[in-house]
Amino acid sequence: ETGVTQSPTHLIKTRGQQVTLRCSSQSGHNTVSWYQQALGQGPQFIFQYYREEENGRGNFPPRFSGLQFPNYSSELNVNALELDDSALYLCASSPTPGGYGYTFGSGTRLTVV
Amino acid sequence: GESVGLHLPTLSVQEGDNSIINCAYSNSASDYFIWYKQESGKGPQFIIDIRSNMDKRQGQRVTVLLNKTVKHLSLQIAATQPGDSAVYFCAEPLNSGYSTLTFGKGTMLLVSP
Repeated sequence: ETGVTQSPTHLIKTRGQQVTLRCSSQSGHNTVSWYQQALGQGPQFIFQYYREEENGRGNFPPRFSGLQFPNYSSELNVNALELDDSALYLCASSPTPGGYGYTFGSGTRLTVV
Repeated sequence: GESVGLHLPTLSVQEGDNSIINCAYSNSASDYFIWYKQESGKGPQFIIDIRSNMDKRQGQRVTVLLNKTVKHLSLQIAATQPGDSAVYFCAEPLNSGYSTLTFGKGTMLLVSP
């Protein structure tokens, strides 16, 4: 059984650019949630995808968007990058949209310069 | 929104000591809580959970205590080892549908040999 994998592991982008982060969910998991973790802070919920639809969203602007594919993998897209977008982006998959059985990936470290 | 928070940002202990990490929550309607461990460069890892109909739950070297009267959680780690050094978060579902998790800021546990 494979866990949650995220790519790339590290990324450096320039302010104003766009970025796409990818996540492969754990086998048997149909729900993917994305979190942003600033240095020294707890993860903050961005949004969740279930059955290829956005199932819930945190307090993030529309320039944060996502996709889920039929194989349950997911992408996080961020447009018009700002310096404050520098963070660790975590993907978590779960067997249902509920708060049980979350498995987190190791994250993508995004640095915006 | 309501949030989960932690009392101590850093806890330093000696190897072999017992560690206690505390967490206060504000949503009295919360009925499920989770403790996560996050090592440097990795995503949060599930440690133990507890439902609100329980006061205590034990795992391997870990115990979670829930005091609903004062809305307080604690994670006890017995015979702390250097490998326990990490940041520990408590988390709770954001709403009754368990659609996502709300994390506190975290406590850094440093274990000295």
